[in-house]
Amino acid sequence: AQSVTQLGSHVSVSEGALVLLRCNYSSSVPPYLFWYVQYPNQGLQLLLKYTSAATLVKGINGFEAEFKKSETSFHLTKPSAHMSDAAEYFCAVRTNAGNNRKLIWGLGTSLAVNP
Amino acid sequence: NAGVTQTPKFQVLKTGQSMTLQCAQDMNHEYMSWYRQDPGMGLRLIHYSVGAGITDQGEVPNGYNVSRSTTEDFPLRLLSAAPSQTSVYFCASSYTADEQYFGPGTRLTVT
Repeated sequence: AQSVTQLGSHVSVSEGALVLLRCNYSSSVPPYLFWYVQYPNQGLQLLLKYTSAATLVKGINGFEAEFKKSETSFHLTKPSAHMSDAAEYFCAVRTNAGNNRKLIWGLGTSLAVNP
Repeated sequence: NAGVTQTPKFQVLKTGQSMTLQCAQDMNHEYMSWYRQDPGMGLRLIHYSVGAGITDQGEVPNGYNVSRSTTEDFPLRLLSAAPSQTSVYFCASSYTADEQYFGPGTRLTVT
């Protein structure tokens, strides 16, 4: 069975600093992995996805994530944080159970950006 | 394109009342799902549908019913509201459960 663990429920960085949000997965088959972002009082939106092509995936708003099979990780990074990046970030893995595919979600990491 | 729309945005119910949360999408997506979001618990799947006439349970289905008579609509029914159902509810749609498009959410309080 697939699962996702996000390390750190709260991360705080200074504006301009590196953002690193950690996600580890468990999957018995090659995983499809996703990062979603949720801004305050809004629904989630897709930031980026890994679907077994390039291991370094670029997303919107300058975010990227690297799939590392040996470490079972899919950490999200951004070189320089902006105030507008303050949000909740969710990592997810897709189950591959035939037609009944689902996303398995991590518990989320809240990112605060300090001026 | 309106994307995924949800109504109402806010709702207060008394224990034991029933209601329906509406969800509609105009992207011709086959896959639709309902989640609830609670502090510290992430997103939990309530029910989902892979096409009109086909629904299945997620991880927290008790107390909720769904039906999918059209591709566009996927209403969520609370049969007899309980305080434990106080939450924010999100509807989402996608082609294959991958890139899910979320609605703006319904904030439900049960007193």
